[in-house]
Amino acid sequence: NAGVMQNPRHLVRRRGQEARLRCSPMKGHSHVYWYRQLPEEGLKFMVYLQKENIIDESGMPKERFSAEFPKEGPSILRIQQVVRGDSAAYFCASSQGLAGETSETQYFGPGTRLLVL
Amino acid sequence: AQKVTQAQTEISVVEKEDVTLDCVYETRDTTYYLFWYKQPPSGELVFLIRRNSFDEQNEISGRYSWNFQKSTSSFNFTITASQVVDSAVYFCAPVVNTGFQKLVFGTGTRLLVSP
Repeated sequence: NAGVMQNPRHLVRRRGQEARLRCSPMKGHSHVYWYRQLPEEGLKFMVYLQKENIIDESGMPKERFSAEFPKEGPSILRIQQVVRGDSAAYFCASSQGLAGETSETQYFGPGTRLLVL
Repeated sequence: AQKVTQAQTEISVVEKEDVTLDCVYETRDTTYYLFWYKQPPSGELVFLIRRNSFDEQNEISGRYSWNFQKSTSSFNFTITASQVVDSAVYFCAPVVNTGFQKLVFGTGTRLLVSP
């Protein structure tokens, strides 16, 4: 199955620890998006990346959160010094990144459920 | 701000009933795209459909059909002869054009189909 892969699927952290969430896009996809879903809510956009570039991070909290998509390897969403309010499901999506395409379908991974104790 | 409203928080039906999930959106764009995604109890997000604002023809895919009305900014989703496996949260997501295409999700409609 060449779908979007995310790991870990579940992550438990204590307050103050760091959380690292990984996302491998679908084969052939070069654009990655991260979304956060709080309990009983819809998904909220966080950040959009292309290889080695952050294109838009307008939905990401200014502190403690960072994202990268290196030339090699998965995209990483990093949350430093986690707090209870960070508990949520974090979804990664990918799209092909075709030149001139005005809107592409984003395919989502299974998500990472982060629980902060 | 551009947003989407899914007024039905939860719908319960019995198997084989037809059900329509409503979606109303606001947009300043003259051309745009709309998506529906399904989130079953297992938690993943499944892509269902992508429509552009150029095409107002209804679309049918098996038991699923979509009714897009640009004049009322609605993009409703109907499941015919519902099945238990249709139980999920359904999200309508228009795309906001902010220099790139960003999905804006509604709060979703939880559909419960009982046998």
